[in-house]
Amino acid sequence: AQSVTQLDSHVSVSEGTPVLLRCNYSSSYSPSLFWYVQHPNKGLQLLLKYTSAATLVKGINGFEAEFKKSETSFHLTKPSAHMSDAAEYFCVVSDPAGTYKYIFGTGTRLKVLA
Amino acid sequence: GAVVSQHPSRVICKSGTSVKIECRSLDFQATTMFWYRQFPKQSLMLMATSNEGSKATYEQGVEKDKFLINHASLTLSTLTVTSAHPEDSSFYICSARTSGLYEQYFGPGTRLTVT
Repeated sequence: AQSVTQLDSHVSVSEGTPVLLRCNYSSSYSPSLFWYVQHPNKGLQLLLKYTSAATLVKGINGFEAEFKKSETSFHLTKPSAHMSDAAEYFCVVSDPAGTYKYIFGTGTRLKVLA
Repeated sequence: GAVVSQHPSRVICKSGTSVKIECRSLDFQATTMFWYRQFPKQSLMLMATSNEGSKATYEQGVEKDKFLINHASLTLSTLTVTSAHPEDSSFYICSARTSGLYEQYFGPGTRLTVT
């Protein structure tokens, strides 16, 4: 069965410092992995996705993530946090067994301090 | 491309009434649509999966008679909350995917408040 673990429920960083949001997954298959961001009372916006091409994935707004099969990780990083990055971030694995369901992590709330 | 809309964005209804939420794929054919529910400060919980022209498949613990899902066309799915109660108040989000792709495209969500 597929599962996703987001290791931190809250992360606080100062503006201009690096961001690291951690995600580990469990999958019997070669997974498709996604990071989404959700601002308050809004829908989900795709930041980036991994679908078995390059292991280092670049997304929007300066975010990137590296797929590490040996560590079953897909951590999200950004070199320099901006105030507008404050939001909820979800790591997602797609069920490859034909249902196309998403399995969501519990989310990480990113706070950016001025 | 790949835009999903939801209507209404916010709705307030009285306890005991029914409310319908629409989810539309604006620029692609949605072979599968998903309905999620999100409680404050929590992750998304999948309620059901619907394929165009078929009955929806509900997740365990979701009352199918209470949350009626219809996916009558390749661009429209509706969620009807019947006999709504205050505990049904939540943020409902739909998503859609097209044939051959894993990626889901999300709507902006509907905030339901039952008074």
